[in-house]
Amino acid sequence: GIQVEQSPPDLILQEGANSTLRCNFSDSVNNLQWFHQNPWGQLINLFYIPSGTKQNGRLSATTVATERYSLLYISSSQTTDSGVYFCAVGPSGNTPLVFGKGTRLSVIA
Amino acid sequence: GAGVSQSPSNKVTEKGKDVELRCDPISGHTALYWYRQSLGQGLEFLIYFQGNSAPDKSGLPSDRFSAERTGGSVSTLTIQRTQQEDSAVYLCASSSFPEGQYFGPGTRLLVL
Repeated sequence: GIQVEQSPPDLILQEGANSTLRCNFSDSVNNLQWFHQNPWGQLINLFYIPSGTKQNGRLSATTVATERYSLLYISSSQTTDSGVYFCAVGPSGNTPLVFGKGTRLSVIA
Repeated sequence: GAGVSQSPSNKVTEKGKDVELRCDPISGHTALYWYRQSLGQGLEFLIYFQGNSAPDKSGLPSDRFSAERTGGSVSTLTIQRTQQEDSAVYLCASSSFPEGQYFGPGTRLLVL
């Protein structure tokens, strides 16, 4: 099956810093999503991005499907950005997702 | 509009008891998924419903686990004869292509 690797596993940032999270996957995908799991455990959709680039406020994401990786950029980080960021992929739109192990982000004031 | 809802939020049960977990997907979403998140295993797929097709049960860890989806909407995940290793957060998601999956808040199950 598809393998998903995320890096780094842990990241500590000073408030206001920028960061890049990476997701590598082992096979062609037609579904790729980034999620933020907040301290209460809720998985929040950030991006549905099987290819291309999207931006939403301080967050942006780029997926290069031909090279099997995706990047999540967080700019001007805030303490509320803390939590675990998951990348998840699937072979097509409405199929189960395979999750990476996540990147645990801690933003310090 | 309303998101995915799950009930109960928390469930504590004794080993050997049966439990039922409920998921209400986003209205109009044709696909519904159950996942499990545990410390040792991360986030893993359990079962998937797509429209009126037979469910994909390939992720169910044992025959003690089953799920149904009535009327193409609400789904119930049943765990029979619960074991301590079943303790986890059970997450439900729904989707409608070409959108991505939206997750509910989860049910935290503790088996004593």
